[in-house]
Amino acid sequence: AQSVTQPDIHITVSEGASLELRCNYSYGATPYLFWYVQSPGQGLQLLLKYFSGDTLVQGIKGFEAEFKRSQSSFNLRKPSVHWSDAAEYFCAVGGGRGYSTLTFGKGTMLLVSP
Amino acid sequence: NAGVTQTPKFRILKIGQSMTLQCTQDMNHNYMYWYRQDPGMGLKLIYYSVGAGITDKGEVPNGYNVSRSTTEDFPLRLELAAPSQTSVYFCASSRDRGRNEQYFGPGTRLTVT
Repeated sequence: AQSVTQPDIHITVSEGASLELRCNYSYGATPYLFWYVQSPGQGLQLLLKYFSGDTLVQGIKGFEAEFKRSQSSFNLRKPSVHWSDAAEYFCAVGGGRGYSTLTFGKGTMLLVSP
Repeated sequence: NAGVTQTPKFRILKIGQSMTLQCTQDMNHNYMYWYRQDPGMGLKLIYYSVGAGITDKGEVPNGYNVSRSTTEDFPLRLELAAPSQTSVYFCASSRDRGRNEQYFGPGTRLTVT
């Protein structure tokens, strides 16, 4: 069965500093990988996704993620964090049930300090 | 397009009551999903549908039922509400499986007391 681990429950970053959120997945075949963001009281919004090809993918709001097959990781990065980036971030892997469904990690809450 | 809409936004139920959470999408998506989100637990899939008339169980289906009579609507039914069903419920849709992004509604916050 597929699974996703986000090791950090909370992360605090100073505004303007760089950010890296960790995601490790378990899946037997080629995974489809996603990062979603959830602002307080809102639904989830897609930041970026990876299926194949270039292992560094660019997303919205200045985010990027790098797929590393050897480490089973798909870490999310941003060079300079803004206060508006404070939110909860979810990594997800697709592939189960004939690629019909996603399995989500438990999320990482990002706090941005002034 | 309104995207994915959910009603109600908030609801308080007494133990044993029943209710239906409504979900509608106007993007003509084939796939629709119901998740529940509990603090620190991420999203758990309750049920999903790959098209009108076709539904299947997800990871946590017990206590819930769904139907999909049209492409647009995917209601979630709670028959005998229990405190364990206190959660935030999200509906999502996607055009197809695999690479396709899931679009989420704003959620319904349900409390069972």
